[in-house]
Amino acid sequence: SQTIHQWPATLVQPVGSPLSLECTVEGTSNPNLYWYRQAAGRGLQLLFYSVGIGQISSEVPQNLSASRPQDRQFILSSKKLLLSDSGFYLCASTSAGGPYEQYFGPGTRLTVT
Amino acid sequence: QKEVEQNSGPLSVPEGAIASLNCTYSDRGSQSFFWYRQYSGKSPELIMSIYSNGDKEDGRFTAQLNKASQYVSLLIRDSQPSDSATYLCAVNEASGTYKYIFGTGTRLKVLA
Repeated sequence: SQTIHQWPATLVQPVGSPLSLECTVEGTSNPNLYWYRQAAGRGLQLLFYSVGIGQISSEVPQNLSASRPQDRQFILSSKKLLLSDSGFYLCASTSAGGPYEQYFGPGTRLTVT
Repeated sequence: QKEVEQNSGPLSVPEGAIASLNCTYSDRGSQSFFWYRQYSGKSPELIMSIYSNGDKEDGRFTAQLNKASQYVSLLIRDSQPSDSATYLCAVNEASGTYKYIFGTGTRLKVLA
């Protein structure tokens, strides 16, 4: 089964600072990878997904970007954080070709001050 | 806009009772359906997947799917206080984009 690692677990950053969140996956090859954000008391918002190295689809035209430098590594970045970027960031993975269950990492709680 | 609808709750049930959670979806072509449990401050945990019409049982959990009615449900038998959490319903998007659509979740409270 898949294991998804995310770090850091918590982060407090000032407005205007850069961001880099990392996600790595074990136990599967060529997974589909996803970044979601969950604001307090809200649902999951899909930010980016990737079906292969260097292939990124963006769902939200904001100040965030994503990259996939290796098969099982997914990175979420920002050059300048906004207050509205605060939230719980979740990386998820799905095995390419099925089964189609999506598994989540432990998440990173980001507070922008 | 493709949507997954859930009652936000809270749904309160006494310990030992059956909890029934419901979900409707708008994308008629969706083929894969999932239930997640999310404890406060934690990430979602997959508890059930269902792909065919009918019932699928796993321990105390039963997922029910009716594609004609675009309806998915989750039954939790012998509910325990440890089942108190938010339950998210998710479906795959049928357009081949590899995306999943999540509901906003139903908060379940099991009263001891």
